[in-house]
Amino acid sequence: DGGITQSPKYLFRKEGQNVTLSCEQNLNHDAMYWYRQDPGQGLRLIYYSQIVNDFQKGDIAEGYSVSREKKESFPLTVTSAQKNPTAFYLCASRPRATGANVLTFGAGSRLTVL
Amino acid sequence: LAKTTQPISMDSYEGQEVNITCSHNNIATNDYITWYQQFPSQGPRFIIQGYKTKVTNEVASLFIPADRKSSTLSLPRVSLSDTAVYYCLVGDATGANNLFFGTGTRLTVIP
Repeated sequence: DGGITQSPKYLFRKEGQNVTLSCEQNLNHDAMYWYRQDPGQGLRLIYYSQIVNDFQKGDIAEGYSVSREKKESFPLTVTSAQKNPTAFYLCASRPRATGANVLTFGAGSRLTVL
Repeated sequence: LAKTTQPISMDSYEGQEVNITCSHNNIATNDYITWYQQFPSQGPRFIIQGYKTKVTNEVASLFIPADRKSSTLSLPRVSLSDTAVYYCLVGDATGANNLFFGTGTRLTVIP
């Protein structure tokens, strides 16, 4: 079945450590996104990528980094510069086609800083 | 991108029809309106999308007036399992590179 796989589902990090969240899709979608969600809040855009080897900052990119070396993969690194990284992280993708601004989401990764 | 405004929360009894309205006064000509549903600790999932007038699928209807400055998601005969957060998005269907979610509407279905 086609879909988006995020891993790990749960992750614990000590302060000062970098961690990388994985996002893989087999939907042949061109565009991929990373969102952050805090308890009781909506989704905020961190980074997005429309094509391989290209990505743009969203609303809250500070303290995060991404890469897009392959069409199906869009990993997110939460760096030590992110002062409050505890949150639920969601990866999404969509086809780059007319009338197709429908996002498909992964199941999410919950990061907790100890 | 058009900014959207939704009620923060709504309550409804089981079996009733629920209508959630989204305001998007600055909607552009090429923008579509898309609604998503999110359960706790899960990613949002697509419910319905429309451009104008009325769209209906197996789970919901979407009503869009002629001026397109608002839209209404209609959920018929809600059940407890419809308790979730509902998001309205407005974006360019031809290739918007970034899609912004607001805070959504938290619907609570009461037995």
